[in-house]
Amino acid sequence: EPEVTQTPSHQVTQMGQEVILRCVPISNHLYFYWYRQILGQKVEFLVSFYNNEISEKSEIFDDQFSVERPDGSNFTLKIRSTKLEDSAMYFCASSAWRRANTEAFFGQGTRLTVV
Amino acid sequence: SQQGEEDPQALSIQEGENATMNCSYKTSINNLQWYRQNSGRGLVHLILIRSNEREKHSGRLRVTLDTSKKSSSLLITASRAADTASYFCATVSPAGTALIFGKGTTLSVSS
Repeated sequence: EPEVTQTPSHQVTQMGQEVILRCVPISNHLYFYWYRQILGQKVEFLVSFYNNEISEKSEIFDDQFSVERPDGSNFTLKIRSTKLEDSAMYFCASSAWRRANTEAFFGQGTRLTVV
Repeated sequence: SQQGEEDPQALSIQEGENATMNCSYKTSINNLQWYRQNSGRGLVHLILIRSNEREKHSGRLRVTLDTSKKSSSLLITASRAADTASYFCATVSPAGTALIFGKGTTLSVSS
């Protein structure tokens, strides 16, 4: 069964460092998303991406964040200068259709720890 | 905000009992989705109910939608220990390009 894969599963980084979280969405999907979940809290939307551009982003997704689909298969989230409060689980998701009125498939997440 | 809010925040039941979780949202929707998250794992889609549907079934899951009350409920019948997880409702953002999740209900089923 096709699945969304995320690497690494766990990343520890020093405050101020740049991190890149990687995702391989399901191959025929067109819409891609990043979400984050601070431990024990709700799943927060960061950004949606379609046709090589951002469709929508939340207030959390400020200038420190960027997304890219560099090679047609990977979908990355970059945090330029990490802060302690960026520590969270980051989930990538993809869906087959252009709009969000359909099932989204989630990866298993990357646990980011900023120290 | 468009997002749904689940109720209760936590629910503890015995195996075999039914579990009911509720979701309320604030604006009009085209559909509402329910997802499940096992501890520390990704979310898994359970069911999607469209705004013109009132009830939908999938195995032991039953979802209802009342658009006049802007609410939905997820019923899990004959619960099992393996149903222990967090359950989230999700609605589509006003721009239509993102799913927005509620805070979730944490269900604990003991054997």
